[in-house]
Amino acid sequence: NAGVTQTPKFQVLKTGQSMTLQCAQDMNHEYMSWYRQDPGMGLRLIHYSVGAGITDQGEVPNGYNVSRSTTEDFPLRLLSAAPSQTSVYFCASSYSRRPTDSYEQYFGPGTRLTVT
Amino acid sequence: SQQGEEDPQALSIQEGENATMNCSYKTSINNLQWYRQNSGRGLVHLILIRSNEREKHSGRLRVTLDTSKKSSSLLITASRAADTASYFCATGPHSGNTPLVFGKGTRLSVIA
Repeated sequence: NAGVTQTPKFQVLKTGQSMTLQCAQDMNHEYMSWYRQDPGMGLRLIHYSVGAGITDQGEVPNGYNVSRSTTEDFPLRLLSAAPSQTSVYFCASSYSRRPTDSYEQYFGPGTRLTVT
Repeated sequence: SQQGEEDPQALSIQEGENATMNCSYKTSINNLQWYRQNSGRGLVHLILIRSNEREKHSGRLRVTLDTSKKSSSLLITASRAADTASYFCATGPHSGNTPLVFGKGTRLSVIA
């Protein structure tokens, strides 16, 4: 199994540009999520999905869109990039549909995004 | 908003010493998990402790959970230089669909 994969690893955008960060998992996990990590802020949840066709907002959803058309893929779209979106983005997945179940999350290697 | 809060923010120890990190949280939980992040990498799951458990071991790791004090601790015994990383606690909700909530982490440096 490849686990959770993310592309690209690095990206530089100009303010106002849009792009999609890709995330895929091959573990047949129902639950997937996107986090951003900024220095001194830990991980903050952007969006999550409990299954194909179902998404919900996390703590910091503004400026980002997601969709979940398949179990495997969970892309994150930046609609109009802003310097405040400069961050490292992590995708994660876990087996259970319900976060109240005690299943660990598997993380991808991250995408380092710089918006100038 | 972040639920777990790790303490200390940074910790520097000599190889062979024990390292203890603490996590406090605010609301009822179903489980608490600890993750490690090496520099420039994604997080890796270390250990999970359920709300009805008080202590759990995995190799050199020992986790305790005190739900009455809403706190947990992670002990790494006989630390090695390879343990240098950031450590995060994450809390799983007692009910509802809210995902795991991560703290800001403890940065551990183990000096050889």
